[in-house]
Parts: sequence; C-alpha cells; structure tokens
Amino acid sequence: KAGVTQTPRYLIKTRGQQVTLSCSPISGHRSVSWYQQTPGQGLQFLFEYFSETQRNKGNFPGRFSGRQFSNSRSEMNVSTLELGDSALYLCASSSGQVSYEQYFGPGTRLTVT
Amino acid sequence: DQQVKQNSPSLSVQEGRISILNCDYTNSMFDYFLWYKKYPAEGPTFLISISSIKDKNEDGRFTVFLNKSAKHLSLHIVPSQPGDSAVYFCAASEFLGTGNQFYFGTGTSLTVIP
Repeated sequence: KAGVTQTPRYLIKTRGQQVTLSCSPISGHRSVSWYQQTPGQGLQFLFEYFSETQRNKGNFPGRFSGRQFSNSRSEMNVSTLELGDSALYLCASSSGQVSYEQYFGPGTRLTVT
Repeated sequence: DQQVKQNSPSLSVQEGRISILNCDYTNSMFDYFLWYKKYPAEGPTFLISISSIKDKNEDGRFTVFLNKSAKHLSLHIVPSQPGDSAVYFCAASEFLGTGNQFYFGTGTSLTVIP
C-alpha cells in the first residue's frame, strides 16, 4: 500500500500571498488531519476531515482552511501569509470513524519571506 | 496552553542501556496515548500506544507506562540501539463525539551513542 503523500515538499512564498498544500491519504482511509510543526511548539492540530466534512478544528485563525474531496484527498489553504506561518505542515490519515493510529506524510516545508 | 508536555528536549544514552522518555499531560479526558518516532525529512511514524484503562503496554523493546494519578506517561526502550536515534513525540487523544482530537508534545531528541 502506498503511504501518505504530500505535495509540494518545499515551498517559498512571500508575505501576503496565499498557498495551497495537497495531501493524498492511504488508499481506503477516510480521515485526514492537518498539523503545523514549528520548533518549540511540537505538532499543533489544524483540522480534521472525514468523508468530506470538517469534523474537528484547532485554534488557528480563519486564514487557515481546508477541504476534502470525494476520493479522500485533502487540500489546505493559507491566505494572507505571515512570516510566522513558516513551518512544516504535516498531514495524517487514518482508517475509520474512530481511529487512534495516524499515518503521517513527509510534510510540506513552507517558508514565508 | 500546552496540554501535553515533554520537558526534556534531548536525551543521550549509551547503546545497550535503557532510554526513558517522559511526558506529562493536564487533561483528564484523554482516553488514549501514543508515541511517535520521527526521523529528519520524514513524517512521524507510530511506535506504540496505550489506552487510559491500562497502565502498561509492551511491544518488543518498547514499553509504555501510564500513571493516571500523576498524569504521566513514559516510554522505555531496552536495549537502546543506534537506529533508535530520532525525535520522539508523545501524543494524547480526546474523543469529542465527532471524532478524536490529538494533542502532541514538543518532542524529545534521543541520541544513542554506539
């Protein structure tokens, strides 16, 4: 089974721009979660999608949004980028309605200049 | 506010000895705890987990201990091997009715010295 894939792997943007990141979960997995990892903050939960619906949301501003398609692929969008948005963005997929094991992709490294 | 804390950013251990990684949490509603291992340029990979109704779970060289009264979790690796050198994240899950929400610690970088 192919693992979780994320594209692009690296991205450089300037302040004020917007960015879209993509995540393809493991085949058959219906839940996709997004996390932001910054030094000293660990992984901070952004949101989770299950069957095209946002199921949970973390404490991030509305500039951070996401969606999930019928094939379970998910996209995350950040508008009006700020320097503090520079981070590693990780997506994780899990199989079912209630699942504790998440499988992470390699992440997208976003640098905002 | 960080609900899951790993107070040791780094740990060095000799090969063959025991590695003990610690994690503290504040939310008594957490029902499941997990440890992930992360190598550079890769996403975290699941290592071992424990339900809140248990106090110990063992898988080969890895054992997780849960002390609910102290809200403390630890991961023991015995014997430690150089390939165990990685960043270890502790995570906790809270079921919110619509699904699980996960909270991660800031990670502990383990170096196993040959």
